[in-house]
Amino acid sequence: GENVEQHPSTLSVQEGDSAVIKCTYSDSASNYFPWYKQELGKGPQLIIDIRSNVGEKKDQRIAVTLNKTAKHFSLHITETQPEDSAVYFCAASKSGGTSYGKLTFGQGTILTVHP
Amino acid sequence: GAVVSQHPSWVICKSGTSVKIECRSLDFQATTMFWYRQFPKQSLMLMATSNEGSKATYEQGVEKDKFLINHASLTLSTLTVTSAHPEDSSFYICSARDLDSGGGLGELFFGEGSRLTVL
Repeated sequence: GENVEQHPSTLSVQEGDSAVIKCTYSDSASNYFPWYKQELGKGPQLIIDIRSNVGEKKDQRIAVTLNKTAKHFSLHITETQPEDSAVYFCAASKSGGTSYGKLTFGQGTILTVHP
Repeated sequence: GAVVSQHPSWVICKSGTSVKIECRSLDFQATTMFWYRQFPKQSLMLMATSNEGSKATYEQGVEKDKFLINHASLTLSTLTVTSAHPEDSSFYICSARDLDSGGGLGELFFGEGSRLTVL
């Protein structure tokens, strides 16, 4: 089955700096890659996603890049703010039928943004 | 965006009792819901896929008799932890697909999670 590796496990940055979190996946059939932000005691919240037919997607301060050949994708957060501090998870999935939504998650990255 | 509601948000029970957790899609119909389990400081692990009107599909290593899943309607799936033991203490999270979002591919929405503590 799919295996998703996420690095780093912890990331500490100063407010205003950029943060980059990287994930690799094993199943070349995976074609949907969402990123989630999880705050303490809450469920994951989708922040951005990318499908395998594009290489990059941006939404204000957040961007995701995908390299299908290398089977890795990255989350980029620019101009970080203290409220960005949370646990971030990458995930991978195959679309089509009921398998869509069956996500394999990375191990998570604890991002801390210092004021 | 679409909302997925879980109830209860937290529950404490005695060892040996059964606990039911509900997952509701509030403004969309979900033929498929997913149940995840998350231990402290760990990632989410898929337990099972809940299919409306049919049996749930369990991931390898998940005991179907231990974790009973019922998806009786298009807006409700329930997870019952039977004969709960302290090792079942965890954060249980459900997700549901809204087929009308995500450009027709069905965006996934997660509930807020239910924290189970078994004494």
